[in-house]
Order: sequence, then C-alpha cells, then structure tokens
Amino acid sequence: GAVVSQHPSRVICKSGTSVKIECRSLDFQATTMFWYRQFPKQSLMLMATSNEGSKATYEQGVEKDKFLINHASLTLSTLTVTSAHPEDSSFYICSAEAGLDTQYFGPGTRLTVL
Amino acid sequence: GNSVTQMEGPVTLSEEAFLTINCTYTATGYPSLFWYVQYPGEGLQLLLKATKADDKGSNKGFEATYRKETTSFHLEKGSVQVSDSAVYFCALSERAQKLVFGQGTRLTINP
Repeated sequence: GAVVSQHPSRVICKSGTSVKIECRSLDFQATTMFWYRQFPKQSLMLMATSNEGSKATYEQGVEKDKFLINHASLTLSTLTVTSAHPEDSSFYICSAEAGLDTQYFGPGTRLTVL
Repeated sequence: GNSVTQMEGPVTLSEEAFLTINCTYTATGYPSLFWYVQYPGEGLQLLLKATKADDKGSNKGFEATYRKETTSFHLEKGSVQVSDSAVYFCALSERAQKLVFGQGTRLTINP
C-alpha cells in the first residue's frame, strides 16, 4: 500500500521553542493531508485539513496561530507547533488522502515539551 | 452529525479465542466504514473497509460486514494471536468529508 512518512519520530524540546513536524507521501501525490492529535489511551482528534496550495482548515477549538500548517507541495505538509508548552506534549499523526475515502497514515511523532 | 460508538475496552482474551469488537454508527448519508489498527508506538494502519451496505471487508483473518439495518460494522476474528494485541479504531467517512473515529478498543491477547 501507499506509504506516508513523518519526521521526526520523536522530539523533545524546551518550553517556548517551536517544533516542525514533516509529513510526506512517498509514492503518491496528496492534494489533501490531515493532522491529528492523540492523547494517551484516547482516540484521534482531527486538528486540521491541509490542502496543497491553500490555507489549512482548522477544526473548532484548534488555534491556527499555535499550530501552523503549510502544504507547499503534493507530497509534503508540515505542522509547526509554535511557542510550545508542556500541555502541547502529545502524539501527532498525519494522514494523506489517496482517493475517495482513502487515507494513509504516518507513523506519528511523539512531542515532549519540557 | 456523524458519530461512531465502539465497544469499551480493554478487552483481554486468550490466544485462539474468538474476537468480536462492536461498532455502531450514526450518519446522515451513506458512509464508508473502516477498521484501523494501531500497534504500540505506531500510527494507524487500515485493516479493512466496506463502502456500501452488505459489503464484507476482510484482511488478516479479520472480517466486518456493513449492516445498514442495524447501523453496525462489528469486527470479528475466529482465532486471535498474541500479535493481534493492539488498539482497534472503527471509523466512518462520507464523500469528501473527514474521517470520524470511535474511541478505540485496546485488545490484549495472552499466550
């Protein structure tokens, strides 16, 4: 099946710094990518929908100035957590849309903010 | 709005036991239904899907049938293995709309 990668897989940063997470579709092009957040032992919460060449669409309650999303090409979307705080520590997962009702998920990035 | 309700976990079974994880949904139209699996420390992998009523999705010994009359998509496997230990998510999606996930069911298989 199609492959989606994320980088880094783990990141530890100090409070107040910014962290960028990359999501790449390796063998297909994705006009649409999604960013999710997963808290321990809980389901995935959709944060935003990233569309290539246009602004991301954020879900209610997600701060767009806090979580910057850029989808500059058909194979790359980035999520930047700005001025990170300990409460931003979480597992962030991206997915790429490969057709109608078909999403492929990345392996996730575990962010720890000290 | 659309929603998915899964059987609460955690579920613990012995190897070779029969598995059922219940999933029911609420949708305004005719969604596609999915089961995803998440192994420890990893992202989600699509396990199986069904796109219309009475379709049966199957993969790796797992099966689920799209039941429109009961709005259900229960996951079953006849004989589980230790390697099936993971978190399982039921989800739905309607045309051009986002995936809606259930809360996940943690499955542990003991040898």
